[in-house]
Amino acid sequence: DGGITQSPKYLFRKEGQNVTLSCEQNLNHDAMYWYRQDPGQGLRLIYYSQIVNDFQKGDIAEGYSVSREKKESFPLTVTSAQKNPTAFYLCASSIEGTPGETQYFGPGTRLLVL
Amino acid sequence: AQRVTQPEKLLSVFKGAPVELKCNYSYSGSPELFWYVQYSRQRLQLLLRHISRESIKGFTADLNKGETSFHLKKPFAQEEDSAMYYCALSEDAGGTSYGKLTFGQGTILTVHP
Repeated sequence: DGGITQSPKYLFRKEGQNVTLSCEQNLNHDAMYWYRQDPGQGLRLIYYSQIVNDFQKGDIAEGYSVSREKKESFPLTVTSAQKNPTAFYLCASSIEGTPGETQYFGPGTRLLVL
Repeated sequence: AQRVTQPEKLLSVFKGAPVELKCNYSYSGSPELFWYVQYSRQRLQLLLRHISRESIKGFTADLNKGETSFHLKKPFAQEEDSAMYYCALSEDAGGTSYGKLTFGQGTILTVHP
């Protein structure tokens, strides 16, 4: 299944709370990505990282933050500034992060707001 | 900016019938195009990519630059083909997007027995 794990499978957030979604890979891939999946909208890129200690905003980065302190880990924090966080979040990785590479996806985390 | 459009949100066919999932794109350069598939209770995975020019699980897709399309086709659908299918685009090798994929909205294919 690609060696990418995401936890937890389900996550509940209260109003005003920050929550962090975990993504770990043992594929020795340099590049990692976070996508948000909403019904009828496909996948939209939140953040991506091509190398340790470097990351770039995607199309919908507002209300989210990331870190890339280790090659195998790329956690995503959904902050209280994200007003509509309910969605399915997918983490992915690729070998180098160059255009045209295949991306390998994790099983996803479903975030729900209480 | 690049865009990928999948005009059909839902597509239903009967087993053994031909199936075509449509994908159109807008991009000024020479894109890399992919089809990803998500079967029930499985993670999203690559089905095929246009540069490979191969058939996977009986599916093929041809890049038509004139029509800016990358439709996915299979001559005889099977029940196990039922899944969500996403068309995706990546910039060409001269781009600066660091491998970013732009996805279409997805098409849910249901193959009836």
